[in-house]
Amino acid sequence: NAGVMQNPRHLVRRRGQEARLRCSPMKGHSHVYWYRQLPEEGLKFMVYLQKENIIDESGMPKERFSAEFPKEGPSILRIQQVVRGDSAAYFCASSGAGDAEAFFGQGTRLTVV
Amino acid sequence: EDKVVQSPLSLVVHEGDTVTLNCSYEVTNFRSLLWYKQEKKAPTFLFMLTSSGIEKKSGRLSSILDKKELSSILNITATQTGDSAIYLCVLSSGSARQLTFGSGTQLTVLP
Repeated sequence: NAGVMQNPRHLVRRRGQEARLRCSPMKGHSHVYWYRQLPEEGLKFMVYLQKENIIDESGMPKERFSAEFPKEGPSILRIQQVVRGDSAAYFCASSGAGDAEAFFGQGTRLTVV
Repeated sequence: EDKVVQSPLSLVVHEGDTVTLNCSYEVTNFRSLLWYKQEKKAPTFLFMLTSSGIEKKSGRLSSILDKKELSSILNITATQTGDSAIYLCVLSSGSARQLTFGSGTQLTVLP
């Protein structure tokens, strides 16, 4: 049973480009969470999704950021028109139904140049 | 707003020492408290605590929750250099099971 898979592991984008980060939850998990870890800061919640639904996006910046978790395929975190301040590690976690523990992926390190 | 405070922020010990990491929280709708270990990669799950007073153990690590005091501790006995990491206390709360992270305790175990 593979763990939470994120790709790519490293992503370099120029300012103004789009970044797409992918997260495949553990098998059988239907809850996905995205977190951002800025340099020298802790993990910050961004968005919580279930299949085809955004449950809580209170941690998402209002502009340029969006997330989806389609019926088929991975969850996608999309950042449009990236800026230097978007450079961070983005972690995805998944959990099963109920109050099960969340397991994290290895993260995607986004560098905006 | 839910809040998680961890102490100490950093700790340096020698192999064989026992350490206690603290976590206190403020929460509106408590679901569970989780501990993670983060090295240079993703946080790895250690424990999930939902009930007060019941200790969870895994090898040299143990943890307990005190809902009355709104706190939890993580104990590591006979520390090893491989225990060096950031230990994160995480609160799961609300109907959306939002996770709120503490700032972490940076543990360094010297040989």
